[in-house]
Amino acid sequence: GAVVSQHPSRVICKSGTSVKIECRSLDFQATTMFWYRQFPKQSLMLMATSNEGSKATYEQGVEKDKFLINHASLTLSTLTVTSAHPEDSSFYICSARGGRWEGSPLHFGNGTRLTVT
Amino acid sequence: DQQVKQNSPSLSVQEGRISILNCDYTNSMFDYFLWYKKYPAEGPTFLISISSIKDKNEDGRFTVFLNKSAKHLSLHIVPSQPGDSAVYFCAAKGSARQLTFGSGTQLTVLP
Repeated sequence: GAVVSQHPSRVICKSGTSVKIECRSLDFQATTMFWYRQFPKQSLMLMATSNEGSKATYEQGVEKDKFLINHASLTLSTLTVTSAHPEDSSFYICSARGGRWEGSPLHFGNGTRLTVT
Repeated sequence: DQQVKQNSPSLSVQEGRISILNCDYTNSMFDYFLWYKKYPAEGPTFLISISSIKDKNEDGRFTVFLNKSAKHLSLHIVPSQPGDSAVYFCAAKGSARQLTFGSGTQLTVLP
């Protein structure tokens, strides 16, 4: 079945540095990818929708200058957390729709645990 | 305002018995519902879905029931197996493009 690869799985960085997270669709083309953030024991919160070849669409309250999203190809989207702070520590997950239909199930990456010290 | 609610953060069931996971929603515009299963350190994986034109969808040991008047859906797993132990998220989709997720229920199936 469709596979989404997310890298790295875990990253620790110092406050003030930037971290890039990659999300790849391995055996299908994904014109749209989604980035989520999950706090402990809470729901997956959609941060932004990444569209290939155009600007990402950010959800209300998400700082687009802090969470830079680039969807350079049909198989790769990146999320860069710029000038990270300890409050950015979280679990970030990407997903891609497995088909063109909006109701197609999402395929998720394994997530990235970001710890900012 | 949580539009999709999973009020039980955890559920324990004996192996072989039925597991029933519940989900309530408030947005009457939601027309498609999905269940995802998540193991620790992994991303959620799609389990089963149901359209609002149906009230039941079955796939092997998994059945999802939808009660639109009550804005309630449930996932039944029977018989439950230890490998079913995971966090289960329900999600709903309406006219907007994205899914709205519940907060998840940790299912533990006891051998």
